[in-house]
Amino acid sequence: GQSLEQPSEVTAVEGAIVQINCTYQTSGFYGLSWYQQHDGGAPTFLSYNGLDGLEETGRFSSFLSRSDSYGYLLLQELQMKDSASYFCAVEDDSNYQLIWGAGTKLIIKP
Amino acid sequence: DVKVTQSSRYLVKRTGEKVFLECVQDMDHENMFWYRQDPGLGLRLIYFSYDVKMKEKGDIPEGYSVSREKKERFSLILESASTNQTSMYLCASRGQGQTQYFGPGTRLLVL
Repeated sequence: GQSLEQPSEVTAVEGAIVQINCTYQTSGFYGLSWYQQHDGGAPTFLSYNGLDGLEETGRFSSFLSRSDSYGYLLLQELQMKDSASYFCAVEDDSNYQLIWGAGTKLIIKP
Repeated sequence: DVKVTQSSRYLVKRTGEKVFLECVQDMDHENMFWYRQDPGLGLRLIYFSYDVKMKEKGDIPEGYSVSREKKERFSLILESASTNQTSMYLCASRGQGQTQYFGPGTRLLVL
C-alpha cells in the first residue's frame, strides 16, 4: 500500500529555519505536494515537486529525492504566523488521487 | 481566486439521522473530493468525482454516499449517521493542475 510518514510535531524559534521531512512508500506517483493548515482553517497549497530537486517560493522551499523516497519542506525566517500543521501528499499515478501524510504541527516560540 | 464553499461550518445531528453536506465550487473544475479529517490521521478520502454523475470510492466510503448532478456541486450523504462519523469534513476541487482547493470544512457532531 501507499503510506507517508512525517513527524507529528516540530518546535522552532521565531526567525530560525526549520525542515519538515516526509518519507514515503508508494508504488508510483507523479509528484509530492505540501499543504499548510492553520487551526480551524482549510488546507492551502504551498508547493509541488514533480521532479527531483529543490523548488523555492519565497521563504518556503521543498525538495524531492525519488531515489531516497524522501522529501522535505524548508521554512526560513520563521514568523509566528507560520504556526500551523503541514501535510505532505503524493499524487498516485494509478488514479491521480492524493495520498496524505498525517501532518506535522509546527510550533513557533518567540 | 478559486472559491469552494460548504453548506455549514458546524452541524449537530442525532444517531440515525440522514445528513446532507453540500459543496459548491465556482471554477468549473472537473474533479471534486470529500475527505474527513481526524486528529493524528490526516485527510482520508471518502469519495471523489471526476465528472457530472460520475463517482469513485475513496479509502473509507462505508456509511457514505455522494451525488454530483451539476458540475459545480458535490454532495456527501450520511444515510444513517453514527457517532463514529463525528469528524471534520472537507470538500476540495481540482482543475487540470495538481492543486486541490479546499472549502472551509464542516465540523459534524453526531450525538
